[in-house]
Amino acid sequence: GQQVMQIPQYQHVQEGEDFTTYCNSSTTLSNIQWYKQRPGGHPVFLIQLVKSGEVKKQKRLTFQFGEAKKNSSLHITATQTTDVGTYFCASQRGTALIFGKGTTLSVSS
Amino acid sequence: EAGVTQFPSHSVIEKGQTVTLRCDPISGHDNLYWYRRVMGKEIKFLLHFVKESKQDESGMPNNRFLAERTGGTYSTLKVQPAELEDSGVYFCASSQSGFGTEAFFGQGTRLTVV
Repeated sequence: GQQVMQIPQYQHVQEGEDFTTYCNSSTTLSNIQWYKQRPGGHPVFLIQLVKSGEVKKQKRLTFQFGEAKKNSSLHITATQTTDVGTYFCASQRGTALIFGKGTTLSVSS
Repeated sequence: EAGVTQFPSHSVIEKGQTVTLRCDPISGHDNLYWYRRVMGKEIKFLLHFVKESKQDESGMPNNRFLAERTGGTYSTLKVQPAELEDSGVYFCASSQSGFGTEAFFGQGTRLTVV
């Protein structure tokens, strides 16, 4: 079954607004990765979080890993039209990398 | 350095026919994954190779799907016979080591079964 639940499934924002997607798991995760897939493209690795409570930033993107290592979030500040796409979290199951269902972000200018 | 390459980029076949997809991982990457994304939905795990061995094939939908990675280099995914519900984008990804390392994805093969 699905390892992580990701919400929301879709999100539409006006350019300049903030955006957040969440991943939740019923079990403790060893690590979590985030990927972005642009429309018509392929998933591209963004970041990996490993430590409890870890926070990492990439320009306007902020990634967090929960204290209990059961949830994670990706927050985008002041969205731009270039942020459109689907954002996936992914976690390890054994040796395999299992993806959440993704959050598709659309941005209108 | 060449990335993960997949061939073909698109394939349209009739129901009942056979299609073989190919993936060439990044050189030196022992781990190779196959995924499928249907109708813009989730990226569904199919299977995982470590070198030539199938480490996890729990995501393979049924015995119409056969994946191989002879010699631990490129991999093929054969669908025989294809059904309408097999349509989707098949992604291959590779990583240097399986645990906690970045997976690099190919551009995908868009399969349409009509």
